[in-house]
Order: sequence, then structure tokens, then C-alpha cells
Amino acid sequence: SQQGEEDPQALSIQEGENATMNCSYKTSINNLQWYRQNSGRGLVHLILIRSNEREKHSGRLRVTLDTSKKSSSLLITASRAADTASYFCATVLTGGGNKLTFGTGTQLKVEL
Amino acid sequence: DAGITQSPRYKITETGRQVTLMCHQTWSHSYMFWYRQDLGHGLRLIYYSAAADITDKGEVPDGYVVSRSKTENFPLTLESATRSQTSVYFCASSEWSRKGAGELFFGEGSRLTVL
Repeated sequence: SQQGEEDPQALSIQEGENATMNCSYKTSINNLQWYRQNSGRGLVHLILIRSNEREKHSGRLRVTLDTSKKSSSLLITASRAADTASYFCATVLTGGGNKLTFGTGTQLKVEL
Repeated sequence: DAGITQSPRYKITETGRQVTLMCHQTWSHSYMFWYRQDLGHGLRLIYYSAAADITDKGEVPDGYVVSRSKTENFPLTLESATRSQTSVYFCASSEWSRKGAGELFFGEGSRLTVL
């Protein structure tokens, strides 16, 4: 069973708009990570947020984590056509060592 | 070139044949992973390895075999391929961290079709 579930499954926006993706998970985590996957390519790490952190920024990316609700959100501000990709959250379970469990992903399309 | 490379990138085989997917990393990362990606399932962990000669099962290990005799290589073998193993396979590596898993570095994937 999937540990993380992203919402929405697909998102289409205009260039310049903000894109928000959500991730819910089921059990206690050590950290949560977001990855991007361009069509036909491998996944690329975007950002990591630890269980004791609530918010983190990296360039146009903002990630929040609410451990009480077991949820995280990824905000991409001022989206560009190049942001078109699938985005995955991945969790490291408490006591899970170095294994990551991935969600099913959100497909983001940014139109000109 | 530095990084993580997978081969072959594309493979078509027949049911019952043995297939080996190769993965090589140049960073000397301790951890290596094999995931499969299927529509509707995201990425699912098949096997992982914490170091040479140490491997462990992931979420969907049945029908797969791995080995890790050298730190840099982590081949995945399908001993008798089935149609349900048609998928895109990703190898990844990461450094060991006592704080838990850090960033994974992914290969470009191996697209396997079993006829």
C-alpha cells in the first residue's frame, strides 16, 4: 500500500500562476522529500523537510509539513512551462532507516 | 562520467526468459535501490542494499533477485520474466545518514517489455 498520496492527481495552470500540490501519509515519518520527474526521465530531488520542521524554502519552492495532520504541501510560485513534470512526495518512516516510500504523484502542466 | 547509469535503457524479452538490468554508480554511495514505476502505483521499492554484500527486500520483491558484490554495482535479475514485470525500472543511490534517508540520486530508467 502507498504511504504517500498526492492530491490532485493532475493539475493544469497558466504560466505565472502558483501551483500547489498536497501529500498525505499514513504513519510517523522521519523526513519527507519531494521529487520531480520530467517525461521519460529519472526523478530529481527537490527538497527535504524533517519531521521537526514546519516550512522550508528553496528558490521558487515552498514546502510545509503538518505532522499532526500527516500532510505536506509543495508550492511552486510563478510557474514556468519548464515546471511541467510529475511531482512525487516520498517519506522516510520513523525507524525505517534509509528507505523512501513514494506516492503516486501529481502531473503538473504549465501552459503558455 | 560521474553519476548513476543504467543499462540497457530499453529491453524487450519474452515470458520465461532471464533478464538482468545493470546499475552502476560512481559516488561510492552506501545505499542502492531498485524501484519499479507503473501507472497508478507510483514507484514501488523492489530491493535495496545498505552496502556490499548486504541486501534486503522492499515492497515488491517476488520474481526478482539482486546481488551487490561491489559497492558501485547493483544488478537486478528477473529469473523468469512474466508480463506483469513489464515496467520502467529505476536504480537509485544515496549516502548513509544516521538522520535517516537523505537525497536519492536516480538513473534514467530501464524500460522493460515482457511479451
